Amino acid sequence: GQQVMQIPQYQHVQEGEDFTTYCNSSTTLSNIQWYKQRPGGHPVFLIQLVKSGEVKKQKRLTFQFGEAKKNSSLHITATQTTDVGTYFCADMEYGNKLVFGAGTILRVKS
Amino acid sequence: SAVISQKPSRDICQRGTSLTIQCQVDSQVTMMFWYRQQPGQSLTLIATANQGSEATYESGFVIDKFPISRPNLTFSTLTVSNMSPEDSSIYLCSVETGGGYTFGSGTRLTVV
Repeated sequence: GQQVMQIPQYQHVQEGEDFTTYCNSSTTLSNIQWYKQRPGGHPVFLIQLVKSGEVKKQKRLTFQFGEAKKNSSLHITATQTTDVGTYFCADMEYGNKLVFGAGTILRVKS
Repeated sequence: SAVISQKPSRDICQRGTSLTIQCQVDSQVTMMFWYRQQPGQSLTLIATANQGSEATYESGFVIDKFPISRPNLTFSTLTVSNMSPEDSSIYLCSVETGGGYTFGSGTRLTVV
């Protein structure tokens, strides 16, 4: 099956700094979804991107889907301690199966 | 979006025994998905459970080790059989709900 590579593995930022995580695939993605998992919690759906070049915003979060639909990014502006957690991208494959990236762990120093 | 009740939330089990995990959804769904999340790792799909047919297992997972039941459109169970310490993980069920997926709260399994 398709593999989605996600970087960085880990990022530790000062509160107020920005944060970005990237997902890349060698093949075209049908759509990409983003999830947040708080420490000790379960993944929570954030957003789905479907169209080439799509950009969506949720308050301080900006999601982008590449023009070739082979990469995506999640950018958080001015991080807060509530942003702490692991952010996963996920590709939807045939049979409505989600294939998750490795995740990026975000830690925020206050 | 759907609400999923998953239990148990955690358990400590002896090696060689089996544990059955239950997920109850508050609405009818065609497919339910079972994932494993090993410590510090990402989520790996174990199988897809459809009502009225056998579950479809992903590479590396077999029915004898992870039997699944799907008796109706709101309920499913996953059994972890003949457990070993390598089975220590978080197990999660999931359903698709209008564009995204909703996850159960997870079962944290420790095998000793």
